Amino acid sequence: GQQVMQIPQYQHVQEGEDFTTYCNSSTTLSNIQWYKQRPGGHPVFLIQLVKSGEVKKQKRLTFQFGEAKKNSSLHITATQTTDVGTYFCAGATYSGTYKYIFGTGTRLKVLA
Amino acid sequence: DVKVTQSSRYLVKRTGEKVFLECVQDMDHENMFWYRQDPGLGLRLIYFSYDVKMKEKGDIPEGYSVSREKKERFSLILESASTNQTSMYLCASSLSPGLGAISYEQYFGPGTRLTVT
Repeated sequence: GQQVMQIPQYQHVQEGEDFTTYCNSSTTLSNIQWYKQRPGGHPVFLIQLVKSGEVKKQKRLTFQFGEAKKNSSLHITATQTTDVGTYFCAGATYSGTYKYIFGTGTRLKVLA
Repeated sequence: DVKVTQSSRYLVKRTGEKVFLECVQDMDHENMFWYRQDPGLGLRLIYFSYDVKMKEKGDIPEGYSVSREKKERFSLILESASTNQTSMYLCASSLSPGLGAISYEQYFGPGTRLTVT
């Protein structure tokens, strides 16, 4: 079946360092969404990418969707302690309805 | 603001019990989802519903059933709870896209941490 792999599983960085998480799908996606889950919280939507090769920015966060629409990345520049949490990608395929497969998540810890 | 609420934050049940998890959303969303979240496995889709009385199996439906009698409410039922169903259960809702439209973001509830002993 369809799989969405996400790496790394964990990442510890010093505050101010950059961070990147990668998402890879076994099949071509219609679109991809990214979510952030703070410790003890629930996933909160960050962004959706739809077009092949799309790049979107939200302040220090840069999201990319691969040309083949099978991979995506989230890059955080100059991490802050408020970036702590688990970042999930969710790849969508469409066959009458949209179905999302979530990645396993990357847990980010930022050391002050 | 969209609000998705779940009936309990924490629940402890015994093996073999029938368990009901309730989810209510207040934004008239067509789509509703049930996920379970386990360390290292991310979020896995159990069931989803795109309309009242409509449901589709997700990736791990075994041991679960669902009910959607009203648009705002989506229930997850564990017919006979087992220890391997100990997990965090997350409900989510979203708008349904029109024909040819892209999909919409999912709004999650706070989760129910279920322990089956």
